[in-house]
Amino acid sequence: DTVLTQSPGTLSLSPGERATLSCRARQTVNGNYLAWYQQKPGQAPRLLIYDASTRANGIPDRFSGSGSGTDFTLTISRLEPEDSAVYYCQRYGSSILYTFGQGTKLEIK
Amino acid sequence: QLVQSGADLKKPGASVKVSCRASGYDFTNYGISWVRQARGHGPEWMGWINTNNGDTKYAREFQGRVTMTRDTSTNTAYMELRGLTSDDTAVYYCAKDELIVGAVPFDHWGPGTLVTVSS
Repeated sequence: DTVLTQSPGTLSLSPGERATLSCRARQTVNGNYLAWYQQKPGQAPRLLIYDASTRANGIPDRFSGSGSGTDFTLTISRLEPEDSAVYYCQRYGSSILYTFGQGTKLEIK
Repeated sequence: QLVQSGADLKKPGASVKVSCRASGYDFTNYGISWVRQARGHGPEWMGWINTNNGDTKYAREFQGRVTMTRDTSTNTAYMELRGLTSDDTAVYYCAKDELIVGAVPFDHWGPGTLVTVSS
């Protein structure tokens, strides 16, 4: 069973603040094979973080990932209006294939 | 780049076939995964195809109802889903993967194809 639970469901913050998004796995994520995506309306998901803490190409250093085992965090510092989106975590690894969380909606007031 | 076929409207019980044409990289050096997303829901992985040898791996939820194929002469991958119901209404994405399924997250996605199932 590879269920991923994200919290909170919705997060409302102001520009300049820091957002902390959580992703909890029911079982240990081997190899920390955990990714984070950003999705804006009408667009495909965009890869932000892979291997729990490595930023994908072109991703600003305001985005950072951390965690291991079953608990992972995406932190977005110095929030900008363009960060408004839904954020998903994804587990991967050849033995369990792919699973996505249900998402956290981030609103920038 | 991944370019997908246009939106489609199907009746319940019908089948749909979505295409995904790749360019800008060696098509047969990478796999293709298919992911769908219903409105207001998270993405759901459907399956994967090794574009080099045609091997496939399907998510348990879709086994028996989905077929993934590819045409190496046109660098195009296809996903066919049969026995459509209203629950299959979603945006269907293709994503660049590896030749080993599950190995990496998806750093390149197609723009998505809206499939609507309605009578």
